[in-house]
Amino acid sequence: DADVTQTPRNRITKTGKRIMLECSQTKGHDRMYWYRQDPGLGLRLIYYSFDVKDINKGEISDGYSVSRQAQAKFSLSLESAIPNQTALYFCATSDLGSSDQWTQYFGPGTRLLVL
Amino acid sequence: GENVEQHPSTLSVQEGDSAVIKCTYSDSASNYFPWYKQELGKRPQLIIDIRSNVGEKKDQRIAVTLNKTAKHFSLHITETQPEDSAVYFCAATSYGKLTFGQGTILTVHP
Repeated sequence: DADVTQTPRNRITKTGKRIMLECSQTKGHDRMYWYRQDPGLGLRLIYYSFDVKDINKGEISDGYSVSRQAQAKFSLSLESAIPNQTALYFCATSDLGSSDQWTQYFGPGTRLLVL
Repeated sequence: GENVEQHPSTLSVQEGDSAVIKCTYSDSASNYFPWYKQELGKRPQLIIDIRSNVGEKKDQRIAVTLNKTAKHFSLHITETQPEDSAVYFCAATSYGKLTFGQGTILTVHP
């Protein structure tokens, strides 16, 4: 879905480095999410935000932080990257005000490798 | 929190056969159950969903059933085609949060 974009699409970094993944959306949705995907484990929720002033931890928030800079932007940070954070990261959005308020739309993903 | 179990982890069928993927969930407050298809290297895409007040929903070759009492829901694909080959994820929504199953790798052989 081109309305949800993620940057960068691929990133290689070293252990201990700080890294930020960014998500932007032009769908006008109020809710945004960050997921991590590992082989055989599906997608796991890291953080979610129901509006600009609302930030919530998900299933696996340790080692991550987020910032909701605006309704359209939601960033995920790894303050000190470690190798087991190597994964595929997805951003998603949903719209509380629509008839399908629970439907989530995913960005293209960011593939992160921590050496 | 919610826990979603998905089976089987891999499924191989011949073109034209049916495929069934099953999920169970733990939180009785969950009220929305989407199914996503993820092709290799692509993002998950919603293919069908069902809400807790409905027992069955169909869209062409795809159908989903929900048994709230047993906390089971299933995806049924009929007349499978090679382009149906992908990873399929079920999910359950509770209080606006999606919890995903582990995924099923479906392979449809021509």
